[in-house]
Amino acid sequence: AQSVSQHNHHVILSEAASLELGCNYSYGGTVNLFWYVQYPGQHLQLLLKYFSGDPLVKGIKGFEAEFIKSKFSFNLRKPSVQWSDTAEYFCAVNFMNNNAGNMLTFGGGTRLMVKP
Amino acid sequence: DGGITQSPKYLFRKEGQNVTLSCEQNLNHDAMYWYRQDPGQGLRLIYYSQIVNDFQKGDIAEGYSVSREKKESFPLTVTSAQKNPTAFYLCASSMGQVRGYTFGSGTRLTVV
Repeated sequence: AQSVSQHNHHVILSEAASLELGCNYSYGGTVNLFWYVQYPGQHLQLLLKYFSGDPLVKGIKGFEAEFIKSKFSFNLRKPSVQWSDTAEYFCAVNFMNNNAGNMLTFGGGTRLMVKP
Repeated sequence: DGGITQSPKYLFRKEGQNVTLSCEQNLNHDAMYWYRQDPGQGLRLIYYSQIVNDFQKGDIAEGYSVSREKKESFPLTVTSAQKNPTAFYLCASSMGQVRGYTFGSGTRLTVV
């Protein structure tokens, strides 16, 4: 079955530290890839997305992600985190086969806490 | 402003009762989705609808039902057959090919 894995469930960092959150998926075909963020008490918001082209994509708030097809990965990065980045982060994949339709499959989420 | 409205924000239900969660969008999006969010499990797809009067089961449809009589509305009924209904429910919509979802603010359902 197609699945999305986020191996880090909880991450604690100090301000100015670098961030990398892992995301892997199980599917050898074409995919569309997304990262969403959920700040405390707020809606899920789109951080960035990848459909094709340059595998390094830049999103809002200084985030970026790199698609490595050979590793089935789409890791999220930020060079220097801020306290305001404290949130839960979700990786999501649209598996582009006949059965997937338009829906996204989400990973289990990573809770990031940034200490001031 | 366009968006998705979920109501109510908090809902309490007695065991054995059915309850309906509302989801309305004014984005003119074709597709709508219901997800359930549980700690550590991310978002799991309950039902989705790509067009009016059509909907499909997701990964965890048992104990739930939906309807899509209007493009703007996609209500979710949590039936008494759902064994563990206490959760946070999220509604989302998208336009055509997936370019990302727009999410509602969610409904937290608690069974007492």
